Amino acid sequence: AQSVTQLDSHVSVSEGTPVLLRCNYSSSYSPSLFWYVQHPNKGLQLLLKYTSAATLVKGINGFEAEFKKSETSFHLTKPSAHMSDAAEYFCVVSDRDDKIIFGKGTRLHILP
Amino acid sequence: DTAVSQTPKYLVTQMGNDKSIKCEQNLGHDTMYWYKQDSKKFLKIMFSYNNKELIINETVPNRFSPKSPDKAHLNLHINSLELGDSAVYFCASSPGLAGAEYFGAGTRLSVL
Repeated sequence: AQSVTQLDSHVSVSEGTPVLLRCNYSSSYSPSLFWYVQHPNKGLQLLLKYTSAATLVKGINGFEAEFKKSETSFHLTKPSAHMSDAAEYFCVVSDRDDKIIFGKGTRLHILP
Repeated sequence: DTAVSQTPKYLVTQMGNDKSIKCEQNLGHDTMYWYKQDSKKFLKIMFSYNNKELIINETVPNRFSPKSPDKAHLNLHINSLELGDSAVYFCASSPGLAGAEYFGAGTRLSVL
């Protein structure tokens, strides 16, 4: 059975400092993994996805994530936070059975 | 030039009514999805269609009936609305089966 756990429901960082949003998954097969962002009252936007190619995935807006099979993790990082990054972030796992599971989300707060 | 558009954006209705939400994508994608986001922001997949064929049907009451007249459209009809149906419903699409990539802005359904 597959599952996804976002380890922090809230993360606060100061503008200009690094961002780390943590995600652990479990899957019976080689999964596809995604990160989405949702700004207030907006739809979800795909940030990046891993589909068994390079383990370090670069996404939009300076975000990247590294697939670590040994740690079953897919953490999202950004070197320098910007005020516009304040939003909710969802880690998603999908395996070959077409089951798609969203994490419960991490709200990112950016402090001035 | 909206990639995935869903209407209406807001829907307020009485218990017991029947309502529909429409979704259209202009990306030429083969796969479309419906997701439900509850008050706790947890997203669950409801349905997935690939080239008008149903491929994912999660445990959803049969009051919910998706209809895909062509691969660019996936509408959601809900019969006998209940209070627990209040949520934000997101439509999404992807080129293949590796997970949704583009989401609509959501339809906020409130059942009174």
